[in-house]
Order: sequence, then structure tokens, then C-alpha cells
Amino acid sequence: DIQMTQSPSTLSASVGDRVTITCRASQSISSWLAWYQQKPGKAPKLLIYDASSLESGVPSRFSGSGSGTEFTLTISSLQPDDFATYYCQQYNTYSGTFGQGTKVEIK
Amino acid sequence: EVQLVQSGAEVKKPGESLRISCKGSGYSFTTYWIGWVRQMPGKGLEWMGIIYPGNSDTTYSPSLQGQVTISADKSISTAYLQWSSLKASDTAMYYCARPIFSDYSTYGGAFEIWGQGTMVTVSS
Repeated sequence: DIQMTQSPSTLSASVGDRVTITCRASQSISSWLAWYQQKPGKAPKLLIYDASSLESGVPSRFSGSGSGTEFTLTISSLQPDDFATYYCQQYNTYSGTFGQGTKVEIK
Repeated sequence: EVQLVQSGAEVKKPGESLRISCKGSGYSFTTYWIGWVRQMPGKGLEWMGIIYPGNSDTTYSPSLQGQVTISADKSISTAYLQWSSLKASDTAMYYCARPIFSDYSTYGGAFEIWGQGTMVTVSS
């Protein structure tokens, strides 16, 4: 099984900050990686797929990069609506392992 | 509108059986995979398995193989997640989700459409 490791687990930031979350795969997954945002009591929301493709309707302050085993999600200017938990997910193999999540908190 | 609508919350006792459902609408149900994702209280997301309703091809997470059964009835555009004997550790929110692409060979990629979730509580 491919393992996905996110860092940090928790991130404290202020509105307007540039935020970066990292996701590492235990083996190469090419660009088969997605990023999701989840708010309490809600289903996850797809932000980025195929490592760097922005899902329709998602603000352009969200961006993704990377390939192989190392990936990043960047929020260029954190907005009040962005305080949430973020998950990466690989879908390279016939499974879909998620990272453990990164909670973005208000500083 | 493309949507997945899940069945309501369940409260069960250990050892009981359960089947929860996920009804797709607004798209061709038989040509997209449907996955199931578990989220235990206060924890992260866990990929459980996936089914292709067109031919019922199914893959399970190795850690959950044998613990649950995923099925689909394409005549009513509904996927199911089933337990034969629930445990307290099955207490969780369960989501169904549809991938972004209609691609049989790759599972269709990232999960674009999500159901609202079904909370399952198992307690004596």
C-alpha cells in the first residue's frame, strides 16, 4: 500500500498569509494526487486534481504542484473561509490513500 | 444537477447487520465508479473501496477486505455499503463519492462529487 504523509499536522496562520502544505508519497504516484478541503460537519470538497489542475469554481488563490513523491498545496493569501482541514489523496494504484490531514487554524 | 444522496443516520447494536445507500442522479450512473470513504469521529478520511456499477467490478482497501461489502443496483442508480455484523469500531461517518472522470481503467481519478454522509453509530 502507498502511504501518504502530510505536514504539518496543524498550521496557525493569519488572514492574508501565504500557506503551504506538503504531502509525500511512499513511492512514486506520477501526478495522481488530489487535494480536498473539509469543514466541520461537511463532506470534503475537491480543490485540486492531477496534482495541479484547479477544480471548477475553486478560487485561484489555491494551487497545487509536484510530481513523483512530493507535492504541495499553496494558498496564496489566506481568507477567512479557508480555515479548515486539508487532505491529500493519491489515486495512482487501485486504491486511494488519503494523507492524515492538515488543520489550518486562525493565529 | 449531479448529486449523490445518502440514506439517513443509523443507530445499531454490536452484531447487527446494516446496509446504507447512495443514490446517484444527474449523470450516467453506470459509467462512473462510486467510492466509499470512512471518517471515524475526530479522525481523517479513509478510502474503503470502490465499485463500477456498469459491471459491479469492486476493489476493497486491503485493511477492510472482508469487513464490509460494496454493491450496486444500476436499475435504481444506487450503491450500497453493507455490514453483516457491526462492531463498536464501525462507528463513523460514511461518505460515498464519484470521481471526476468517467474512466473505467483508472477509477476515474479524484472524487469530485460527494454524498452528504451517513452517520453510523454502533453501541450497546
